[in-house]
Amino acid sequence: QSALTQPRSVSGSPGQSVTISCSGTSSDVGGYDYVSWYQLHPGKAPNLIIYDVTVRPSGVPDRFSGSKSGNTASLTISGLQAEDEADYYCSSYEGNYQWVFGGGTTLTVL
Amino acid sequence: QLQLQESGPGLVKPSQTLSLSCAVSGDSISTGRHSWSWIRQAPGRGLEWVGYIYHSGDTYYNPSLKSRVTISINTTKNQFSLRLTSMAAEDSAVYYCARALKWTWYFDLWGRGTLVTVSS
Repeated sequence: QSALTQPRSVSGSPGQSVTISCSGTSSDVGGYDYVSWYQLHPGKAPNLIIYDVTVRPSGVPDRFSGSKSGNTASLTISGLQAEDEADYYCSSYEGNYQWVFGGGTTLTVL
Repeated sequence: QLQLQESGPGLVKPSQTLSLSCAVSGDSISTGRHSWSWIRQAPGRGLEWVGYIYHSGDTYYNPSLKSRVTISINTTKNQFSLRLTSMAAEDSAVYYCARALKWTWYFDLWGRGTLVTVSS
């Protein structure tokens, strides 16, 4: 079980868009449409922002969107806001009733 | 209010066993509608899925931890627990409990996490 690969950090100015990638293999990201994304603010419970690759839970702004191509999933945040500054993690089902997470990406809003 | 709350010791000695609990509020484990997971994050590292349990008692563990992990469920107390043996420094982490709807593969509810440090 190897962690999914994410960039360590990304940054953008308010109003801009950023994309965070999540690279896996055909055994996880590429093999299932079960990629999810989580937002982590220090001291708070992690928050689900995307599931099943593209689905946004109710209450999550439509500035957040997900996609997948081959073995790589992506999270795009458009119209960056200061409160978007957080750590973001992807996760994928990898078969055999198991999950795998990415290494996490720190988003800095400049 | 729907929430998960982790509890347990903040400090564990090397080679000892860690025991954590996750209290479920606003939902009933007994409905059998969800799986109940433990996930951890070591300092400076990413999230790591530890394992999960269904209401039936069926458990699934991260292969890298399987020999040391036990997750159990207590429907009377509406909580589930993690037991991790032979603790070492690399097991120091924030431990989160989380919920997933049965047969889905995303966590829709998390606790705030509890920091566990392994040190003599």
